[in-house]
Amino acid sequence: EAQVTQNPRYLITVTGKKLTVTCSQNMNHEYMSWYRQDPGLGLRQIYYSMNVEVTDKGDVPEGYKVSRKEKRNFPLILESPSPNQTSLYFCASSFYRASEQYFGPGTRLTVT
Amino acid sequence: SQQGEEDPQALSIQEGENATMNCSYKTSINNLQWYRQNSGRGLVHLILIRSNEREKHSGRLRVTLDTSKKSSSLLITASRAADTASYFCATDENSGNTPLVFGKGTRLSVIA
Repeated sequence: EAQVTQNPRYLITVTGKKLTVTCSQNMNHEYMSWYRQDPGLGLRQIYYSMNVEVTDKGDVPEGYKVSRKEKRNFPLILESPSPNQTSLYFCASSFYRASEQYFGPGTRLTVT
Repeated sequence: SQQGEEDPQALSIQEGENATMNCSYKTSINNLQWYRQNSGRGLVHLILIRSNEREKHSGRLRVTLDTSKKSSSLLITASRAADTASYFCATDENSGNTPLVFGKGTRLSVIA
């Protein structure tokens, strides 16, 4: 089944404790991205990747890192999480930048 | 980056009625997409309309695009309780390799 998977689905952590949210797709998509969704602010892009080893900043990259060492995986790294990073995070993939996006199920992160 | 603006922000209708939501944007686009999000879940792609198309249908969905007014509408006919969700438009700006830009969404409630 074609899908985007994210792990974990729920995470509660403390300020400053490094964490990684994994994202994997099985559709051989070149384009992958990370979004955060906050009430009243809609969906905002954090980082995106057009292909392996090619990543770029989205609208809200501060406090986040990503890597794209393999085509299927695109992990999101929070080196030192802060409470303002409490949010619902989505990974998405597509064949190219502006084609149909396939979204993962989301990761609800709470930073205390 | 500019966002599409959905209107209305929230819409409540009875089952069987039609639901119309609108999206306006500011710059020239290559395509416009509509997505649905059930509460707290990943977005699901509904339909993509290219800038040279004026109308597209998919089942009970009808999308129109008016590039002269920089607006699009999504019509859901004969709505069902299962259509209750948030609906987002996403625009592919005609200005190079910018990522898709999502609006803040219309929250649709269909009352049985």
